[in-house]
Amino acid sequence: DAGVTQSPTHLIKTRGQQVTLRCSPKSGHDTVSWYQQALGQGPQFIFQYYEEEERQRGNFPDRFSGHQFPNYSSELNVNALLLGDSALYLCASSWEGLRGAYNEQFFGPGTRLTVL
Amino acid sequence: DQQVKQNSPSLSVQEGRISILNCDYTNSMFDYFLWYKKYPAEGPTFLISISSIKDKNEDGRFTVFLNKSAKHLSLHIVPSQPGDSAVYFCAARDGSSNTGKLIFGQGTTLQVKP
Repeated sequence: DAGVTQSPTHLIKTRGQQVTLRCSPKSGHDTVSWYQQALGQGPQFIFQYYEEEERQRGNFPDRFSGHQFPNYSSELNVNALLLGDSALYLCASSWEGLRGAYNEQFFGPGTRLTVL
Repeated sequence: DQQVKQNSPSLSVQEGRISILNCDYTNSMFDYFLWYKKYPAEGPTFLISISSIKDKNEDGRFTVFLNKSAKHLSLHIVPSQPGDSAVYFCAARDGSSNTGKLIFGQGTTLQVKP
């Protein structure tokens, strides 16, 4: 059973460019969350997708957008890249299960984005 | 606004001894607290969790204690092993959101010396 997979592993972009990161959730999972982890910091919640819709969003500008596909995989898009967007981007998947219950999130290995 | 804080960036202990990692929080709406372990080049791995209605949860060598009045939780690892060397993140779920959004601390790097 494959866990959460993310692609690419590493990415180098220049300021102003656009980037798309991809995530495939763990088998049986239907919810995908994206986190940004800057160097020396803990992961910070960007947004969560469920039933192909953005369900909740963290404190990130509109340059950050996403999508969830019918097979539950997800993309994170970042437009007009800034130097400060350099970070490890983590995808986490979970099963919605019982609303309100705690449903464990499984993390992928992340995509390391460097903006020059 | 740092709602989850890990004030110790690093901790070094001898193999076989106890490791105690600490975490403080400010939001009374948090209903679950979790500890994740992270090795370089890997994503965070779930370690142990505790519901806000409990004060202790144990799983093998790992025990998490929750003190709600102090808004403080701690992770005890006994005995510590060199393979436990990693970055440990404390995280909390906002019970009012129902989405499972996690808020993480900054992490503590644990080094267990043989």
